[in-house]
Amino acid sequence: GIQVEQSPPDLILQEGANSTLRCNFSDSVNNLQWFHQNPWGQLINLFYIPSGTKQNGRLSATTVATERYSLLYISSSQTTDSGVYFCAVEGRGSTLGRLYFGRGTQLTVWP
Amino acid sequence: AAGVIQSPRHLIKEKRETATLKCYPIPRHDTVYWYQQGPGQDPQFLISFYEKMQSDKGSIPDRFSAQQFSDYHSELNMSSLELGDSALYFCASSSEAGTGLNNEQFFGPGTRLTVL
Repeated sequence: GIQVEQSPPDLILQEGANSTLRCNFSDSVNNLQWFHQNPWGQLINLFYIPSGTKQNGRLSATTVATERYSLLYISSSQTTDSGVYFCAVEGRGSTLGRLYFGRGTQLTVWP
Repeated sequence: AAGVIQSPRHLIKEKRETATLKCYPIPRHDTVYWYQQGPGQDPQFLISFYEKMQSDKGSIPDRFSAQQFSDYHSELNMSSLELGDSALYFCASSSEAGTGLNNEQFFGPGTRLTVL
């Protein structure tokens, strides 16, 4: 299957700081999604971004498919941003549909 | 907007018992996926259904089976439960899996299964 690597594994920030999370993947992908898993375990869709750049409020994401990486930017972080951020990619061909997840970045934002 | 519904939200079972998890996809979504997330782990793909047919199979134990019904809801049946089956089980749905386009998956809140 496709290997998905996320960095950093852990990130501790003070409220108001900015951060960049990275996702590298080992093969061509059909789609890429970013999720936020909150402390209650829910997976919240942040971005569906197989390529290009998208912005949603304080969050933005960029995927460079030809170079097999994606970046998630969080600006002016808030305590409610805490949780685990997962990158997940959808393979091509016979595994079309299933998502391969990275191990996540655990973000802690202190007031 | 309607989301993916899963039931039950929490389930406690003894070893060797059986469990059934239910998933109701977003209306008009034709594809359902099941994922398992162990403690401190990332979600792992188990199985998927497109238009009521199994479309892909991942690392799902033989003790588990699943199906998608005519109303598109899906059930994951788990037998001879083991301690290692304790996990968060997610169902996700999407609407364009057959085309491979715009196949954004939306996840339900999960069922937290504890096996004692």
